[in-house]
Amino acid sequence: GENVEQHPSTLSVQEGDSAVIKCTYSDSASNYFPWYKQELGKRPQLIIDIRSNVGEKKDQRIAVTLNKTAKHFSLHITETQPEDSAVYFCAATLSGGYQKVTFGTGTKLQVIP
Amino acid sequence: NAGVTQTPKFRVLKTGQSMTLLCAQDMNHEYMYWYRQDPGMGLRLIHYSVGEGTTAKGEVPDGYNVSRLKKQNFLLGLESAAPSQTSVYFCASTPEARGYEQYFGPGTRLTVT
Repeated sequence: GENVEQHPSTLSVQEGDSAVIKCTYSDSASNYFPWYKQELGKRPQLIIDIRSNVGEKKDQRIAVTLNKTAKHFSLHITETQPEDSAVYFCAATLSGGYQKVTFGTGTKLQVIP
Repeated sequence: NAGVTQTPKFRVLKTGQSMTLLCAQDMNHEYMYWYRQDPGMGLRLIHYSVGEGTTAKGEVPDGYNVSRLKKQNFLLGLESAAPSQTSVYFCASTPEARGYEQYFGPGTRLTVT
């Protein structure tokens, strides 16, 4: 089955700096890669996703990149703000019908004011 | 639209006791899931359902049972609770056409002493 590895497990950045979280996946058939943000005590929420036919996707201060050959995908947050502090999960799955979503182990991001 | 709701929010059980966690969704989603979240281990799938009356095992099903008698409800049962089942439990649902978009409930924090 699919295996998703996520690094780093914790990340501290100064407010205004950039943060990068990296994930690798094992199943070359996976074609959909969502990212979830979980604030303290809250539920995970989908913040951005990328499909395997796209190399990069941006949404304001966040962007995701995908390298299918290397089976790597990354989340980039620019101009970080204290409200970006949360746990971020990457995931990999197939996009059709029911498909098991395999989550990474999470990255706790702390943005220091 | 309440989205995905879970009851209870918190529960403390003694070893050997039983309980049922209720998940309800009002989005007419076909697929529903139960995950457990433990520190450093991300979200692990316990059981899932692809429609009313159907259930299937996920990654960590031992010690849990589920039922989906109505499309909008997905119940997770612990017949004889063990300390290893201390965790935060999240329910999620997804629409049939986009099975990869997980909508999470607020979570249930369960402690087994």
